[in-house]
Amino acid sequence: EVQLVESGGGLVQPGGSLRLSCAASGFTFSRYWMSWVRQAPGQGPEWVANIKQDGSEKYYVDSVKGRFTISRDNAKNSLYLQMNSLRAEDTAVYYCARDGETSGWLLPDYWGQGILVTVSS
Amino acid sequence: QSALTQEASVSGTVGQKVTLSCTGNSNNIGRYAVGWYQQISHGAPKTVMFGNSLPSGIPDRFSGSKSGTTASLTISGLQPEDEGDYYCSAWDYSLGYVFGTGTKVTVL
Repeated sequence: EVQLVESGGGLVQPGGSLRLSCAASGFTFSRYWMSWVRQAPGQGPEWVANIKQDGSEKYYVDSVKGRFTISRDNAKNSLYLQMNSLRAEDTAVYYCARDGETSGWLLPDYWGQGILVTVSS
Repeated sequence: QSALTQEASVSGTVGQKVTLSCTGNSNNIGRYAVGWYQQISHGAPKTVMFGNSLPSGIPDRFSGSKSGTTASLTISGLQPEDEGDYYCSAWDYSLGYVFGTGTKVTVL
């Protein structure tokens, strides 16, 4: 059974930093692209970043470029999101998601339960 | 601002067929596969359609299609447990993954 478990969320002041982790199990982690997706209160999901199987390619939504860094450790079956210079608008539930392949294209197929990040003074 | 447009709400009675739409453009739906995600009571998203495939464990009353820059999710035989929010998603050539505005499905 595919399982994705996020950790590391919490309350942080504007301008602060936080590192999210996602522990993966139930599949061969090193064979999949992985994503972070967030959902602000009352809003729809917003993709944040994704990373290739070997970490050689990373993509980010414009609003987090230069502030957030996605990384992975295939030996530990773990995905990370380092978030710096946090702003109030980064407040959201952050989901770890596996990017599965369908018809040659990638899409999120499995999701974690999410972890809340609140940026407030 | 979401790149994909969905109707705000759709409702139906138990057993009725309902269709949700998702409109994008040539940079996203027109080029790439579309996923559909169900979210119940603000819980984690659950994939109910993955491109042209029905994920394991999803009832076959769910089906998906795509024509040009519009994708559709049909629920044939609406059930009370189908009530929730539904989001479409696709990769966008310029923006990365984009999600729809969301449709609230209500079972009357």
